[in-house]
Amino acid sequence: GAVVSQHPSWVICKSGTSVKIECRSLDFQATTMFWYRQFPKQSLMLMATSNEGSKATYEQGVEKDKFLINHASLTLSTLTVTSAHPEDSSFYICSARGRNRFGQYFGPGTRLTVT
Amino acid sequence: QKEVEQDPGPLSVPEGAIVSLNCTYSNSAFQYFMWYRQYSRKGPELLMYTYSSGNKEDGRFTAQVDKSSKYISLFIRDSQPSDSATYLCATQLITQGGSEKLVFGKGTKLTVNP
Repeated sequence: GAVVSQHPSWVICKSGTSVKIECRSLDFQATTMFWYRQFPKQSLMLMATSNEGSKATYEQGVEKDKFLINHASLTLSTLTVTSAHPEDSSFYICSARGRNRFGQYFGPGTRLTVT
Repeated sequence: QKEVEQDPGPLSVPEGAIVSLNCTYSNSAFQYFMWYRQYSRKGPELLMYTYSSGNKEDGRFTAQVDKSSKYISLFIRDSQPSDSATYLCATQLITQGGSEKLVFGKGTKLTVNP
């Protein structure tokens, strides 16, 4: 149990366009979802935390108008990178936490390349 | 000082060796201590977690926490080529707002050679 999927697994987009990444909990209800970013040879950095039906809480230094997070249901959260730039190229990973479950379960990640 | 420090390696060992992976942390407020395994281009997978100082064993894996020295370790016995991955330590705290936050180390890349 505790499977989290992400779509797409990789995406290439042009500078200035927007990209949406989906994160789904497949076999449990995710009361909280988290979005992380991981640059090469760096640790995962938490970008934002979202609870179902609530606005996301962003970490310091993360632009909420650039990284739009929607957690519309207990199994789906989306991250939209708006007006993407090459410096946004990174590995984006979501995780989900279920009710009465310990720990966060991570998706497989989405590799974003902005050209 | 980073909140969680982890030597990124890389670490290369022969099959069957005992592997020791370590992290240090700075914030006494951290409550849980975890080890994740991450294969290339995949998301992290939770291996083990502990709350208190001491050892916790699961098969070939032993997690150790020493809160007095703020030191976290993961030992892998009889290492296998399939253990080759990046191992990330992580600590969890509950923020003032009541939400949880995981803080990760950089990860140590381990290669077990057949």
